[in-house]
This record gives sequence, C-alpha cells and structure tokens, in this order.
Amino acid sequence: GAVVSQHPSRVICKSGTSVKIECRSLDFQATTMFWYRQFPKQSLMLMATSNEGSKATYEQGVEKDKFLINHASLTLSTLTVTSAHPEDSSFYICSALRTGLTGELFFGEGSRLTVL
Amino acid sequence: GQSLEQPSEVTAVEGAIVQINCTYQTSGFYGLSWYQQHDGGAPTFLSYNALDGLEETGRFSSFLSRSDSYGYLLLQELQMKDSASYFCAVGDSGSARQLTFGSGTQLTVLP
Repeated sequence: GAVVSQHPSRVICKSGTSVKIECRSLDFQATTMFWYRQFPKQSLMLMATSNEGSKATYEQGVEKDKFLINHASLTLSTLTVTSAHPEDSSFYICSALRTGLTGELFFGEGSRLTVL
Repeated sequence: GQSLEQPSEVTAVEGAIVQINCTYQTSGFYGLSWYQQHDGGAPTFLSYNALDGLEETGRFSSFLSRSDSYGYLLLQELQMKDSASYFCAVGDSGSARQLTFGSGTQLTVLP
C-alpha cells in the first residue's frame, strides 16, 4: 500500500530556533501534499496545501513567513517552523494525494513538536 | 465555508454495534470520508462515500445521504482495539481534494 513517511517523529527545541519537518511519499508521486496541525484532543486543522513546483497555498490565519513550505520534488514536501515559540508546540501531520486516486489521502505518522 | 458536526464521545461494550453520525454544511461537496486515529498516531483512512448509499468494508460501513447532508460510520462487532477517535471529513474541491475534518468522536470500547 501507499506509504507516507514523516521525519522527525518527535522534536524538542528551544524557543527562537527553526525546525524542519519532512514529508515523503515512499511509493508514489504526490503532486499535492497537505499540512495539518492538531492540538491535543482536537481536530486536524489544515494549514496549507503544498503543490510541487509552485508556492504553497495557506489557509486563513496561518502565517506563511512562519511556516515555510517547500515542495521541491514529487515525493518530498518540507515544513519549516521558523523562530518557534511554545505556542507552536503541536502535532504536525502531512498527507499526500496520489495522482488519479479519489477520496483517500495517505497520512504521515505525524511530528510532535515541543518548543521549550 | 465548511462545518461538520459529530458527537464528541461514544461508549460501547465489546461485540456491540456503534453508529457515529456526521452532519455537514459545505459550500462545495466532494465526498465524505472517515478516518480513525489512535492516541499519538496518524489518521488512517476507513471509508469514502461520494454517492448516496452504504459502503461496506469488513466490520466498518459508511452511509451517505447528500440530500440530508448526513452520513454515518457503523462499527460492528466492536473490539477493544477500536477505541480511538473517529473523524468525518468532507472534500470541498474536485481538483485539490482538500479535506475539512469534523471535531472527532472519541470511541471507548469497554470489556
């Protein structure tokens, strides 16, 4: 089956530093990937849509200069949380859409970010 | 915009049948999906309905009524491992497959 890999699964950093999270589709090409954020006991909130070779589309209220997204290839999208602060601590999840397949998104394992 | 409503919690015993309802209000509609998420894990796809009716996949079934903007997930022969959060999600774009998730239903299966 399709597999999406996220790395790192857990990261702890100091306030003010930047953290990069990678999302890879391992056995299919993904022209579109999505980044979600999930706080404890809450739903997944779409942050941005990442399209290969073009700029990401951010949801309302998401700072594009703080959450940098790069989708440089058909199998890799990265999310960089710049100048992280404690309020950025969350579970970040990516998903990838396999071209031609409807209805099902393949999710990465998630990355838990803790900012001290 | 999109909004989805589902119960926050459901409790049932092993072997029982549980139905988790989802009502939605969307500006566009491109199918209703269901995802399961265990604590600390990633969501996993359960089912998808684009058309009205019932879709059955093993112990799980999902139903959609587009005229009622309503769907449900039916879990049969509950097992302890089914304890998890269940999210309904609506796709609102035919090209991008962007999903808007409901708030999730925490299912607890008791022995």
